[in-house]
Amino acid sequence: GAVVSQHPSRVICKSGTSVKIECRSLDFQATTMFWYRQFPKQSLMLMATSNEGSKATYEQGVEKDKFLINHASLTLSTLTVTSAHPEDSSFYICSARDSRAGGTEAFFGQGTRLTVV
Amino acid sequence: AQSVTQPDIHITVSEGASLELRCNYSYGATPYLFWYVQSPGQGLQLLLKYFSGDTLVQGIKGFEAEFKRSQSSFNLRKPSVHWSDAAEYFCAVGHNTDKLIFGTGTRLQVFP
Repeated sequence: GAVVSQHPSRVICKSGTSVKIECRSLDFQATTMFWYRQFPKQSLMLMATSNEGSKATYEQGVEKDKFLINHASLTLSTLTVTSAHPEDSSFYICSARDSRAGGTEAFFGQGTRLTVV
Repeated sequence: AQSVTQPDIHITVSEGASLELRCNYSYGATPYLFWYVQSPGQGLQLLLKYFSGDTLVQGIKGFEAEFKRSQSSFNLRKPSVHWSDAAEYFCAVGHNTDKLIFGTGTRLQVFP
């Protein structure tokens, strides 16, 4: 099956610094990827839709200047948390759908646990 | 408003017992329905999905789910639970596979 890889799986950073999280589709192309955020003991909330070669589409309430998304190729999307603060500590998960015609399943990465100290 | 409700936050069962996890949804159009499983610190693995056709869907690991339009439900079942099934289970709904709305999850604990 298709594989989506996220890196890093865990990261600890100091308050005020920026952190970049990568999401790669390893064996398929994805024109669209999705970034979710999961707080402890809560569900996943969609943050933004990442579109290859164009600007990301952010969900209501998500700060686009804080969560920078870049989808430079058909296999890579990055999420950069800028000027991170402790309240940004969370589990971030990306998903991607195979762009080939008929692809009906979104595959999830293993997630990145961000801790801001 | 579009939403997914998983009424049970935490369920505990004995190994070998049957399992049913409830999921109700509110969605304006014909939904795509999914069940995912998440082990601690891990990403999500798709158990099964329903798009159309037979309302009883078979998935991986011996799971099945039944779509009941009249009840707006998509409950997940397994006839005999294994200790390795202990995890968090999420029901999700969407227009397709892309922008999914997730329920709050049900944590399954399995006792030997």
